[in-house]
Amino acid sequence: QLQLQESGPGLVRPSETLSLTCTVSGGSISSHSYFWSWIRQPPGKGLEWIGSVYYTGNTYYSPSFKSRVTISVDTSKNQFSLKLNSVTAADTAVYYCARRWIAVAEEDHFDSWGQGTLVTVSP
Amino acid sequence: DIQMTQSPSSLSASVGDRVTITCRASQSISSYLNWYQQKPGKVPKPLIYTASSLQSGVPSRFSGSGSGTDFTLTISSLQPEDFATYYCQQSHSPPFTFGPGTRVEIK
Repeated sequence: QLQLQESGPGLVRPSETLSLTCTVSGGSISSHSYFWSWIRQPPGKGLEWIGSVYYTGNTYYSPSFKSRVTISVDTSKNQFSLKLNSVTAADTAVYYCARRWIAVAEEDHFDSWGQGTLVTVSP
Repeated sequence: DIQMTQSPSSLSASVGDRVTITCRASQSISSYLNWYQQKPGKVPKPLIYTASSLQSGVPSRFSGSGSGTDFTLTISSLQPEDFATYYCQQSHSPPFTFGPGTRVEIK
């Protein structure tokens, strides 16, 4: 059964870089059928898509983050990662990694999610 | 960007009630509309994709309909485990935006 697990620091200082890794187990990150995504949820608020990466390294990002986000993939480790630069308190959120099914265009959706990790931005 | 709205923002209902949640897109998204359920402190769970296709393992009391800009999630007979927040999400074009959520509470 597929599992996604986020890892990384739970506390980041303002202006620094938030770095998270998602480890995929029970399936290959190199599948043609999926994009791998980061989604976040500030405390008490809704869900916000950050960006996605394909196993080839192709990426696309939300314009809201494009200037300060990098998502990368390491197929040898079955992992993908998020880096968000110049963080502020507004970046405090639960960060989820998720798998996005793309094999059939009309069925495009986030079909598997990690447990999420809370990242707090604070001095 | 495609903006997603949901109504109501919250509702109170009793076990056994029929519940309907509406989602609207700011432009036509065909059937590229998904629904997720999130319980407090838990991970969002996919319920419905492509507007009306039930995710594997989701009870048949959940159903979705709509196309274009207007969509509906219906719970035919509300169960205690259905009290949660429900989000719609468009997968028509990036950025893949979510609705603000509808909180279903116990009456």
